[in-house]
Amino acid sequence: DAGITQSPRHKVTETGTPVTLRCHQTENHRYMYWYRQDPGHGLRLIHYSYGVKDTDKGEVSDGYSVSRSKTEDFLLTLESATSSQTSVYFCAINSGGSYEQYFGPGTRLTVT
Amino acid sequence: SQQGEEDPQALSIQEGENATMNCSYKTSINNLQWYRQNSGRGLVHLILIRSNEREKHSGRLRVTLDTSKKSSSLLITASRAADTASYFCATDARTGNQFYFGTGTSLTVIP
Repeated sequence: DAGITQSPRHKVTETGTPVTLRCHQTENHRYMYWYRQDPGHGLRLIHYSYGVKDTDKGEVSDGYSVSRSKTEDFLLTLESATSSQTSVYFCAINSGGSYEQYFGPGTRLTVT
Repeated sequence: SQQGEEDPQALSIQEGENATMNCSYKTSINNLQWYRQNSGRGLVHLILIRSNEREKHSGRLRVTLDTSKKSSSLLITASRAADTASYFCATDARTGNQFYFGTGTSLTVIP
């Protein structure tokens, strides 16, 4: 998976609790992305980062925040998880020199 | 939404047959990519075609792009059971490094 790890890989949490997902890369790529994957919707972009402390919103950013304090780490936070945020979350990276994205293994999040 | 759509949603074929899946998108693009996802795994890049290209080959993969119809097709020739996966197209925004994925085609190749 091209030097990308995600943690945790699985999480079950209760509605209203905060949740942070971590994406870590060893490729020194400039761009990092968070997607969610749901049946019938494919992958949808939540937020992305184009450098340390530089982030922007994607299609489905409501209810999510991100932070990138180091090149290698991109954090996705659900401030107050809701059942609609039950999904599989994928992190991806891109060097910026090409359009190819490399994906992490995914985090399966269940909000009960 | 700028998200593309793949067609068909699901496809089942016999090993050795060819598999064709289509992608339609909504806005002008710089390039279009195809990705593969095995069950429970992340996506893996297969091939990229630029907006000024009409056809591209990579091994058993053939991709076409028709920008006037805003559509692309992925052909997998001589399919194998190991090709069983979901296939997604992805288009880029004209500005920035954002990508928009389609809803995917689930391909089953029967041995």
